[in-house]
Amino acid sequence: DGGITQSPKYLFRKEGQNVTLSCEQNLNHDAMYWYRQDPGQGLRLIYYSQIVNDFQKGDIAEGYSVSREKKESFPLTVTSAQKNPTAFYLCASSIGTGLRGEQYFGPGTRLTVT
Amino acid sequence: GDSVTQMEGPVTLSEEAFLTINCTYTATGYPSLFWYVQYPGEGLQLLLKATKADDKGSNKGFEATYRKETTSFHLEKGSVQVSDSAVYFCALSALSGANNLFFGTGTRLTVIP
Repeated sequence: DGGITQSPKYLFRKEGQNVTLSCEQNLNHDAMYWYRQDPGQGLRLIYYSQIVNDFQKGDIAEGYSVSREKKESFPLTVTSAQKNPTAFYLCASSIGTGLRGEQYFGPGTRLTVT
Repeated sequence: GDSVTQMEGPVTLSEEAFLTINCTYTATGYPSLFWYVQYPGEGLQLLLKATKADDKGSNKGFEATYRKETTSFHLEKGSVQVSDSAVYFCALSALSGANNLFFGTGTRLTVIP
């Protein structure tokens, strides 16, 4: 079955540690996205990538980093510089600009930093 | 800039009640409009969409009509079920540039038997 996988579902880290969230898709989609979801704030875009080896900052990129070395993979690193890292993180992908807005989401990773 | 304003929740309804969740948008030109649904503990799923004025999107008994004159895309369902309990997000995608979605804050719906 085609889809997006995110692992792990729950992640716990100590303050000051970097942590990398995994996102893999087998939909052959060109574009991939990372969102952060906080209660009452909807989804906010962290980074997005339209093609391999290229990515752009979204609205809240500070304290995060990404890479796009393979079409299928778009890992997100939450660095110690991110002031409030505890959140639910969602990865998504889309074909590209052909079908605007139709993004496919993974199940999410809930990160808790103490 | 582009933005979406969504009716705040939570919304609690009895089974078989009528549902309306309001959504209005601000955008340059004519964006595509979407409703996504998030079931507990899961990611988002596309529920329905409309790509031009007066289009009606529909799926699973839900409907929404793209109203350019009122810049609205309200979600409706005639008879809700307990299984419809979820968080609903209105979103828009601009016509040009990167295929980014702008989301509303979400409306939590709880349907009680």
